[in-house]
Amino acid sequence: DVKVTQSSRYLVKRTGEKVFLECVQDMDHENMFWYRQDPGLGLRLIYFSYDVKMKEKGDIPEGYSVSREKKERFSLILESASTNQTSMYLCASSFPGQGQETQYFGPGTRLLVL
Amino acid sequence: GDSVTQMEGPVTLSEEAFLTINCTYTATGYPSLFWYVQYPGEGLQLLLKATKADDKGSNKGFEATYRKETTSFHLEKGSVQVSDSAVYFCALHTGNQFYFGTGTSLTVIP
Repeated sequence: DVKVTQSSRYLVKRTGEKVFLECVQDMDHENMFWYRQDPGLGLRLIYFSYDVKMKEKGDIPEGYSVSREKKERFSLILESASTNQTSMYLCASSFPGQGQETQYFGPGTRLLVL
Repeated sequence: GDSVTQMEGPVTLSEEAFLTINCTYTATGYPSLFWYVQYPGEGLQLLLKATKADDKGSNKGFEATYRKETTSFHLEKGSVQVSDSAVYFCALHTGNQFYFGTGTSLTVIP
């Protein structure tokens, strides 16, 4: 079974702090994704990566950056956390499948920025 | 642009009731369609999928048929259980883009 793990389930940070969210997958998937999930808005794509050291902006990249130095690990960075970044963050991975890919999700990190 | 629209929740049903959650999509190409489920405190997991028109995806008593003529992928289950209480997301995948609906919360009461 594919396993996607996220470094923290719950995180509390202060405004202005730099925040790192880590995601690791164990199935050698090329593709990895970061979403945020907010009530009434569903999932919104922040960044995705199709290979090591590659990254593409999603729908809401502002205020975030990412790093993919190894295939299995995809990090989301909040350069200077703000209260409007309080959210649930979901990491996912998939194997390229010509438009038929199933995404495998981690359990999520619930981030509170005070 | 491509998008997914699913019915607003929350939905509350009694055990053994029939469930329908509507999902329609807009896509320029030939997308694959998915239903994901999120149980409380967990990430999303695939429930079922269909990759071409008229395909029916099914799993755990849930099913959905890819209807190209009505651009729909409605989720149905004949008899829901308390353990089906969760948030359900319709999604499409086309090219290298994924689009998710806003989610429909389902609560099943005994």
